Amino acid sequence: DGGITQSPKYLFRKEGQNVTLSCEQNLNHDAMYWYRQDPGQGLRLIYYSQIVNDFQKGDIAEGYSVSREKKESFPLTVTSAQKNPTAFYLCASSNPTEKLFFGSGTQLSVL
Amino acid sequence: EDKVVQSPLSLVVHEGDTVTLNCSYEVTNFRSLLWYKQEKKAPTFLFMLTSSGIEKKSGRLSSILDKKELFSILNITATQTGDSAVYLCVAESSARQLTFGSGTQLTVLP
Repeated sequence: DGGITQSPKYLFRKEGQNVTLSCEQNLNHDAMYWYRQDPGQGLRLIYYSQIVNDFQKGDIAEGYSVSREKKESFPLTVTSAQKNPTAFYLCASSNPTEKLFFGSGTQLSVL
Repeated sequence: EDKVVQSPLSLVVHEGDTVTLNCSYEVTNFRSLLWYKQEKKAPTFLFMLTSSGIEKKSGRLSSILDKKELFSILNITATQTGDSAVYLCVAESSARQLTFGSGTQLTVLP
């Protein structure tokens, strides 16, 4: 079955630590996205990639980094520069004429 | 700046009630409006609307878009407890930029 897999489901970060959230899709989608969701707020775009080896900053990219070395994979690293990382992180993918498909998300908390 | 506003922010109804969720948008070069249902964290797709005045229907859910007045509504008839979720409205521009509303939290009581 095609879909988007995010892992882990829950992640804890210690202060000063970088953590990486995984996102893999087998839908053959060109575009992939990372969103952050905070309680009572809409999803905010962190980074997106429309093609392998290329990505652009979204609205709240500071403190985050990404890579897109393979079409299927778009990992997100939350760096120590992100001072308020506690949030729910959603990965999504799409092709130009299709709707977004979402992963099941990763809840990141700070210890 | 592109904007999507959903109302109400939260809604509590009893099973069997009909609900209407509202979404207004201001998006440069608007292309489409999407509705998602978010329960247990992963949003699932409900509808994509691109044309004004054409109702899309799926079971007890229906949605319509008004491109002149820049809004969409999502109707749920004969609500069930399984309809309890956050309903997200998303506006898409021709450049494929997405603007999300903050969602409507629907709670359906037995």
